[in-house]
Amino acid sequence: DAKTTQPPSMDCAEGRAANLPCNHSTISGNEYVYWYRQIHSQGPQYIIHGLKNNETNEMASLIITEDRKSSTLILPHATLRDTAVYYCIVRVSNSGYSTLTFGKGTMLLVSP
Amino acid sequence: NAGVTQTPKFQVLKTGQSMTLQCAQDMNHNSMYWYRQDPGMGLRLIYYSASEGTTDKGEVPNGYNVSRLNKREFSLRLESAAPSQTSVYFCASSESGFRGETQYFGPGTRLLVL
Repeated sequence: DAKTTQPPSMDCAEGRAANLPCNHSTISGNEYVYWYRQIHSQGPQYIIHGLKNNETNEMASLIITEDRKSSTLILPHATLRDTAVYYCIVRVSNSGYSTLTFGKGTMLLVSP
Repeated sequence: NAGVTQTPKFQVLKTGQSMTLQCAQDMNHNSMYWYRQDPGMGLRLIYYSASEGTTDKGEVPNGYNVSRLNKREFSLRLESAAPSQTSVYFCASSESGFRGETQYFGPGTRLLVL
């Protein structure tokens, strides 16, 4: 699976959009981009995933560049409860078994 | 529907003691996983079980054994605990492990080895 690069930390004001970048320049054509988050002391929580089209669900939006070398997770109206470590993971999804590889992620701090 | 449950929540061991961490899921998932997380680090895969009756090593399997007792349960055993195994242990499950579907995580077990 391709490696990802994320900033170690980001700040965001409550109510504003949080835009978390991820670089995955070695991504292959059959690799999906996944986002998980981990709120302090809890298990990781799935947020969203995508292949090449932009995706949106009740939690967030995922914007993937046309060349698929980077993506951005958008939390449209960040709240204090969105303070967490956010992990960007790329993973092969159509050729056999694979597991998730977690890096160090981005620590997002949402402030009042 | 409890999702993924783990017991115990906390445990303190002395070096050389043994213990088993328990994990159960009620989502009828085929695949289950054990991760450890050390301070300031991401999660690292210890062992996984693609389906009932199979287990495979992950990134950091040394010092651990696992048992896939049935489809619901996947246990992690430390035969002779060492201080380096002080960590937070997370169990996860997914429908099959193929095609990149979502993994669901338990609340974690915090282990301190003195």
